[in-house]
Amino acid sequence: GAGVSQSPSNKVTEKGKDVELRCDPISGHTALYWYRQRLGQGLEFLIYFQGNSAPDKSGLPSDRFSAERTGESVSTLTIQRTQQEDSAVYLCASSFGRTEKLFFGSGTQLSVL
Amino acid sequence: DQQVKQNSPSLSVQEGRISILNCDYTNSMFDYFLWYKKYPAEGPTFLISISSIKDKNEDGRFTVFLNKSAKHLSLHIVPSQPGDSAVYFCAAAGASGTYKYIFGTGTRLKVLA
Repeated sequence: GAGVSQSPSNKVTEKGKDVELRCDPISGHTALYWYRQRLGQGLEFLIYFQGNSAPDKSGLPSDRFSAERTGESVSTLTIQRTQQEDSAVYLCASSFGRTEKLFFGSGTQLSVL
Repeated sequence: DQQVKQNSPSLSVQEGRISILNCDYTNSMFDYFLWYKKYPAEGPTFLISISSIKDKNEDGRFTVFLNKSAKHLSLHIVPSQPGDSAVYFCAAAGASGTYKYIFGTGTRLKVLA
């Protein structure tokens, strides 16, 4: 497809389990972002990949969170030992580069029971 | 530390009137600003942007104004339509030399028919 694709769209998991969220950015986009939106909150920056540069991980809330990106394509966000406060919509976005608008996927709704 | 602030969580406007959404930022190094609209269960979609070399950018019914000295930007929607009812986020980038976009907490706009 032409847009940013995220999978799964919904994920329900038990506290303590690991989850992996996937993002397929728009082809050719060098920058990729992960954000999360907790209920009633704004968009919280998690991590940013730009080309081959070291990612900006300054928004990851704890060491249970990690993300990888293969070249300029797919990215996975992994949350280990999930907690109830991890419940949120996780949004991925990509852009062509600096000063370019972000294109968002529809998000993954994560529910930790 | 909330670097981008949207102090009005909600706004109601009559159809046909002007909607004004406000955004304040604290970091004078931000040099590129975006506005996004978000419907429930969808990813945010880009509306309009402005760089710090301008003080106004217009696109159809949407105009963004930037006041660098006050570290303030606003989005004007004229005339407002019921389909504009959504959550609006402002975002800023450029402070760290990278393009990590920091989003505000959003303003829910309701346009009354």
